[in-house]
Amino acid sequence: DAGITQSPRYKITETGRQVTLMCHQTWSHSYMFWYRQDLGHGLRLIYYSAAADITDKGEVPDGYVVSRSKTENFPLTLESATRSQTSVYFCASRYRDRGYPEQYFGPGTRLTVT
Amino acid sequence: RKEVEQDPGPFNVPEGATVAFNCTYSNSASQSFFWYRQDCRKEPKLLMSVYSSGNEDGRFTAQLNRASQYISLLIRDSKLSDSATYLCVVNDGGSYIPTFGRGTSLIVHP
Repeated sequence: DAGITQSPRYKITETGRQVTLMCHQTWSHSYMFWYRQDLGHGLRLIYYSAAADITDKGEVPDGYVVSRSKTENFPLTLESATRSQTSVYFCASRYRDRGYPEQYFGPGTRLTVT
Repeated sequence: RKEVEQDPGPFNVPEGATVAFNCTYSNSASQSFFWYRQDCRKEPKLLMSVYSSGNEDGRFTAQLNRASQYISLLIRDSKLSDSATYLCVVNDGGSYIPTFGRGTSLIVHP
């Protein structure tokens, strides 16, 4: 199906474990983004990518790693999960064309770190 | 200082009421503006873009005031299903990274 998907949708992990959240889009959007959303903070940008093999830090990148070997995939890895990384994670994408600035979001991954 | 400010609410209104939200932005170079809707920590979904001349989509009207640097969303004849958080989003022309407001919560009650 066309669109943007995230997996897993729910994840419980232990402190110190490595976790990878997957994001896949079928629109061939150049830009992809990872956000976390916590009560009282709204959406905060973790990392973004302008194209395959081009990534850059957002507002809250510490503790996260991203890669983008293919245009359609943008995985987010928590190298050593901490309780403060318990959150809802949203992936988003958009066209490079400035005439189409809207972002489209995946359904989110609810991550709990115990 | 947050670049995009919204009143968090909640705005608590009866069905059928008209309600309006404002959102102020600080970057005068901002060029594109949107309202997103978010239900109960689900993904944000684009509700409507905001054009300089203002635009309407059914019961929803969006306005842009560049001089005062704010955008507004008016909802007429509120429905229970309009209960959600409304996010204001601003893009400046030089960046592909949008700035999100923290959202305004709307509760429509019977």
